[in-house]
Amino acid sequence: AQSVAQPEDQVNVAEGNPLTVKCTYSVSGNPYLFWYVQYPNRGLQFLLKYITGDNLVKGSYGFEAEFNKSQTSFHLKKPSALVSDSALYFCAVRFPGGSGNTGKLIFGQGTTLQVKP
Amino acid sequence: KAGVTQTPRYLIKTRGQQVTLSCSPISGHRSVSWYQQTPGQGLQFLFEYFSETQRNKGNFPGRFSGRQFSNSRSEMNVSTLELGDSALYLCASSLATGIQETQYFGPGTRLLVL
Repeated sequence: AQSVAQPEDQVNVAEGNPLTVKCTYSVSGNPYLFWYVQYPNRGLQFLLKYITGDNLVKGSYGFEAEFNKSQTSFHLKKPSALVSDSALYFCAVRFPGGSGNTGKLIFGQGTTLQVKP
Repeated sequence: KAGVTQTPRYLIKTRGQQVTLSCSPISGHRSVSWYQQTPGQGLQFLFEYFSETQRNKGNFPGRFSGRQFSNSRSEMNVSTLELGDSALYLCASSLATGIQETQYFGPGTRLLVL
């Protein structure tokens, strides 16, 4: 079955330190991978996506993600965390498989990032 | 460019009632998808519309329905509300339907069923 896993419910980081939010996936075929962030009482904001090409994808607000096909992972990273990065982060995947799947995003359960001053 | 807008933002209903939620996509976007977000089940796909046609449907009962108008605005309807329907309902729009398309989300409608 196609699925996405975010193994950590919460990640705690000190401001200024690098951060990593983990995501692994299980899909057949080549996945299309996305990261979104959700602030309290807000919708999801798009950060970045991997479609094809360079395994390192750069996105909004200084975030980047590395696609690793052999480890089926798409971890979100940032070199220096800010307190304002504290939010709920979602990894999502779309997979090829016919016209019925074109719009459907499958989300991980989310990881709360807490950046402390 | 204005983002995705959803109305109303908050809604309180009682069991057995029905509710209609509205979504206006980003100007020029023709695809609209709906998701339900709950603490227990997380984010789950409801359905996707493109050019007034439902292209894909998630695993929800028939009480959940939707439609899209010629101006790409979309509505979703939930009939015979149950307590478990309490959730944040998110609408997302994209330029077209396709695997590579990025979906941009609205702020959501928070529905509370009493």
